[in-house]
Amino acid sequence: DGGITQSPKYLFRKEGQNVTLSCEQNLNHDAMYWYRQDPGQGLRLIYYSQIVNDFQKGDIAEGYSVSREKKESFPLTVTSAQKNPTAFYLCATRGDRVPGNTIYFGEGSWLTVV
Amino acid sequence: ILNVEQSPQSLHVQEGDSTNFTCSFPSSNFYALHWYRWETAKSPEALFVMTLNGDEKKKGRISATLNTKEGYSYLYIKGSQPEDSATYLCASDSGNTPLVFGKGTRLSVIA
Repeated sequence: DGGITQSPKYLFRKEGQNVTLSCEQNLNHDAMYWYRQDPGQGLRLIYYSQIVNDFQKGDIAEGYSVSREKKESFPLTVTSAQKNPTAFYLCATRGDRVPGNTIYFGEGSWLTVV
Repeated sequence: ILNVEQSPQSLHVQEGDSTNFTCSFPSSNFYALHWYRWETAKSPEALFVMTLNGDEKKKGRISATLNTKEGYSYLYIKGSQPEDSATYLCASDSGNTPLVFGKGTRLSVIA
């Protein structure tokens, strides 16, 4: 199947633990993104990557880290420094930046701190 | 940070009613405006990408218009059905930076 696969779908984390959310795509898209959604809020950008081995901080990068060693993969690590990590996380990809080109989303991962 | 505003925040309509909601975005550095439909527990689904002032796009009972000079877009749903219940997101695209999303309009269609 073509598309974006996020895993796990549900994750529980203890206080002080780091966890990593996986995002894999087979769309051959260069750009990949991580967004976070909290109740009553829109999608907020955590990190993005326009090309392999390069990534930039988004609006709320503190307490998160990413890597982009392969075009297909853009994992997000939620570190213990993230003060309020309980949220819904969405990964997205985008192909060539031309007018009319949209972005595509995975199905998301729910992270809960217990 | 670009500021994208959507209104209303939520909306309840009866089956068969037509409805519309608004997305406001900065008109400077405009490249495109995206609309998405997001059902609970699913991925957001792209509805429209609009680039030209005066653009009007249609997909079944859903249509959208774009005014880039004043920085707004309207999404219309004609004859709402229960399956239209979802959150509708708009996002501003300035071309060389990631999309900036509004908070969405949550639509509930009551049978």
